[in-house]
Amino acid sequence: DAGVTQSPTHLIKTRGQQVTLRCSPKSGHDTVSWYQQALGQGPQFIFQYYEEEERQRGNFPDRFSGHQFPNYSSELNVNALLLGDSALYLCASSLVTGGSGAFFGQGTRLTVV
Amino acid sequence: AQSVTQLDSHVSVSEGTPVLLRCNYSSSYSPSLFWYVQHPNKGLQLLLKYTSAATLVKGINGFEAEFKKSETSFHLTKPSAHMSDAAEYFCVVSSNSGYSTLTFGKGTMLLVSP
Repeated sequence: DAGVTQSPTHLIKTRGQQVTLRCSPKSGHDTVSWYQQALGQGPQFIFQYYEEEERQRGNFPDRFSGHQFPNYSSELNVNALLLGDSALYLCASSLVTGGSGAFFGQGTRLTVV
Repeated sequence: AQSVTQLDSHVSVSEGTPVLLRCNYSSSYSPSLFWYVQHPNKGLQLLLKYTSAATLVKGINGFEAEFKKSETSFHLTKPSAHMSDAAEYFCVVSSNSGYSTLTFGKGTMLLVSP
C-alpha cells in the first residue's frame, strides 16, 4: 500500500501564474481533502471531495479550485498566484464515514516568487 | 463550529523525562479527537485517535491521551521522552456531523535535550 502520494514535492512559481497539484489517496479511501499549511502554522482546510463533488469548503477564495476523478485521485488548482500562497499543501485521504481520521501525504511545497 | 486550543507553543524536556502536551477543544457535535505529529519537512503522521470508545487512548511510540469531557481536554502524554520525539504535535478535532474535515490547533513544538 503506497499510502497517500502527492506530486510534485516542490514547486516554484511566479506571482500571477497558475499551478496544479496532484494527489492519489490511500487504497480503499474515497474522500480527499486539501489543506494549506503556512510556515509555523497548523494546516487550514481548503476543501473536500467525495464522489467527484466538492462537499465542503473552507475559507479560501475562488482562486482555489479542485477536482476529483473516478479513481478518487484529486487535483488542487490555484490561479493568479500571490506571494501569500506560498505554503505546504497537504492532501488527506479518508473514508466518507469519517471518525477514523485521515492519512496525509508528504505534501507539496509551493513557493511563489 | 469546532476549534482547538493548544496551550503551549513550545515544550522543552530532557530525554527520559515525562512529556505533557495540552489541548482543549470546542465542538458543537460529539467530537472525534486526534493527535498528529510532524517531523521537519515531513507530512503528518497519526499518533492516536479518540472516537467515543475508551477515554484513555493509546497510540504509537508510547504516547497516550485521555479524553475528559467535563474539562473539554485531550492532553497527550508519554512517560519517557526520546530524542526522536522532537517534532511538532497537532491536536485535531473532527465533528461527527457527516463531514470528516479536520480542524487543527496551532501546534506545539516539542524540544528534547540530551
